Amino acid sequence: NAGVTQTPKFRILKIGQSMTLQCTQDMNHNYMYWYRQDPGMGLKLIYYSVGAGITDKGEVPNGYNVSRSTTEDFPLRLELAAPSQTSVYFCASSAPGTEGYGYTFGSGTRLTVV
Amino acid sequence: KQEVTQIPAALSVPEGENLVLNCSFTDSAIYNLQWFRQDPGKGLTSLLLIQSSQREQTSGRLNASLDKSSGRSTLYIAASQPGDSATYLCAPGGGYNKLIFGAGTRLAVHP
Repeated sequence: NAGVTQTPKFRILKIGQSMTLQCTQDMNHNYMYWYRQDPGMGLKLIYYSVGAGITDKGEVPNGYNVSRSTTEDFPLRLELAAPSQTSVYFCASSAPGTEGYGYTFGSGTRLTVV
Repeated sequence: KQEVTQIPAALSVPEGENLVLNCSFTDSAIYNLQWFRQDPGKGLTSLLLIQSSQREQTSGRLNASLDKSSGRSTLYIAASQPGDSATYLCAPGGGYNKLIFGAGTRLAVHP
């Protein structure tokens, strides 16, 4: 049982380049999220999805796009990378229900934009 | 807008002490509150989840309380150990289980 898998683990981008951060989960969770964490700070929500085909903005969506074509996958797209997008990105999933909405996080993608 | 504050920002203690980590939040309309542990350069590990109707949850040496009306949660760590050294993050959960995180308490337990 892999949980939430993120790729790549590290990436360096040049200003203006684009890339997709991959996230997949094998727990059949309906809810999936993308957060970013800047040094010394808590996590901030970028986008979330409550099921295939349904996505919505979080606190800091500018410069990002997402899609959710399947329950398992929730990729995050960065268009025209900027230095302000240098951060660690975490994907997570949770399952609504009596078990308590517990979260499972991926191990993160460390992105540097130069 | 939900804002989360964690006090203290950092804590350094000798092994064996009982610890209190505080979390306050501005919007009491939450569904639950979670506490996470984050080791340096790693992802987050869920420690405890308290539903909005509950007052506390316990797991081993960890106990978390929730006072939703006053916007406060406290994480108690009993008999601290060097292996407890990490950053502890508090996160109230809203609709669709979206979390708002505090900046964390960085804990160092030395032998």
